[in-house]
Amino acid sequence: SQQGEEDPQALSIQEGENATMNCSYKTSINNLQWYRQNSGRGLVHLILIRSNEREKHSGRLRVTLDTSKKSSSLLITASRAADTASYFCITQETSGSRLTFGEGTQLTVNP
Amino acid sequence: GAVVSQHPSRVICKSGTSVKIECRSLDFQATTMFWYRQFPKKSLMLMATSNEGSKATYEQGVEKDKFLINHASLTLSTLTVTSAHPEDSSFYICSAIRWGLSSYNEQFFGPGTRLTVL
Repeated sequence: SQQGEEDPQALSIQEGENATMNCSYKTSINNLQWYRQNSGRGLVHLILIRSNEREKHSGRLRVTLDTSKKSSSLLITASRAADTASYFCITQETSGSRLTFGEGTQLTVNP
Repeated sequence: GAVVSQHPSRVICKSGTSVKIECRSLDFQATTMFWYRQFPKKSLMLMATSNEGSKATYEQGVEKDKFLINHASLTLSTLTVTSAHPEDSSFYICSAIRWGLSSYNEQFFGPGTRLTVL
């Protein structure tokens, strides 16, 4: 399967609920980033977490990284309808500078 | 944090014309930038690696003469789509490498440019 694979592919929740998205990867990484993209719009950088970090917070976002399991999770708390977007994890491998970009999780937050 | 910008964010052009897209690193110097193309199912395809002061390295299947890349400065790389056709309509995204201490580097994406060729 592809490096930087998000799970689930689609998630639909009600406003106010928490949303959790996961990302798995296969090789050793320097860092992992989460981006969001609204339909037809550009990428927005959310959080970068380095391989020596385990958890980072930014507002309502919480990202964890488990290098032993080669996985990361993005938690959005108290979701809003405006959080509706596609969310991507992007890994940067230690072997080089190329990034791997998954197909993303489509999050729909219903008002 | 590091910021990478692209200009324009959207462009519409006629078939046969050329379009230039700029990618800038705003608060750091980037000797290496990458150009990607995003397809409808949202996966990204690496098109080429842009190195400051040297020729770009293109991925297999990407036409060098059609997608001209110029990395003229440490903060600017441009992608020119020449003789554009409707099938070139896509979302083009650049990324730039920021080199940190101990050769540790981080790479950030620009917001992308949506090209529509009529």
